[in-house]
Amino acid sequence: GAVVSQHPSRVICKSGTSVKIECRSLDFQATTMFWYRQFPKQSLMLMATSNEGSKATYEQGVEKDKFLINHASLTLSTLTVTSAHPEDSSFYICSARGTALTDTQYFGPGTRLTVL
Amino acid sequence: GQQLNQSPQSMFIQEGEDVSMNCTSSSIFNTWLWYKQDPGEGPVLLIALYKAGELTSNGRLTAQFGITRKDSFLNISASIPSDVGIYFCAGQRYAGNNRKLIWGLGTSLAVNP
Repeated sequence: GAVVSQHPSRVICKSGTSVKIECRSLDFQATTMFWYRQFPKQSLMLMATSNEGSKATYEQGVEKDKFLINHASLTLSTLTVTSAHPEDSSFYICSARGTALTDTQYFGPGTRLTVL
Repeated sequence: GQQLNQSPQSMFIQEGEDVSMNCTSSSIFNTWLWYKQDPGEGPVLLIALYKAGELTSNGRLTAQFGITRKDSFLNISASIPSDVGIYFCAGQRYAGNNRKLIWGLGTSLAVNP
């Protein structure tokens, strides 16, 4: 149980284009989903938290107009990197958590974004 | 933001050896979690600890939730090559802040066959 999928696994795009990444909880309902960014040899950096049906909460220093998050259902959240630039190239990972107080986060396999 | 103190930063061991790593914090947590991340993959949950003093095993892995609720350790017994990867600890509180995870910086494990 507790499987989270992410799509695509890899994406290469030109500078200035927008890229959408999907995160799905496959076998449980996720009221909360998290989006992380990870640089090589570093820990995970939380970008934003999204609760189903409400606006995402962004961490300090993360531009909400650049990283658009939509959590439209209990099993799907999307992250759109708008007007991507080479410095946005990174490994993006989502996680999902169920409704119980003791529920913990289960992670997707990550999306490698390369902006040329 | 806040991060946990995780040590050691890296380990290089021989196959068959036991491994121990730990995390400490200046504040208490309700849950301690241990994840393993392989290159190019997302973290995979290894063990979740919910009670101070709790000792939990998952195969060759054993983790404990410290009595003070400010620390946790992870042991791996009889290491094998597939144990290679980065191990992260994370702490979680039940109240406030969307119950975000606070992360350690990771322990990179290399196993020499």
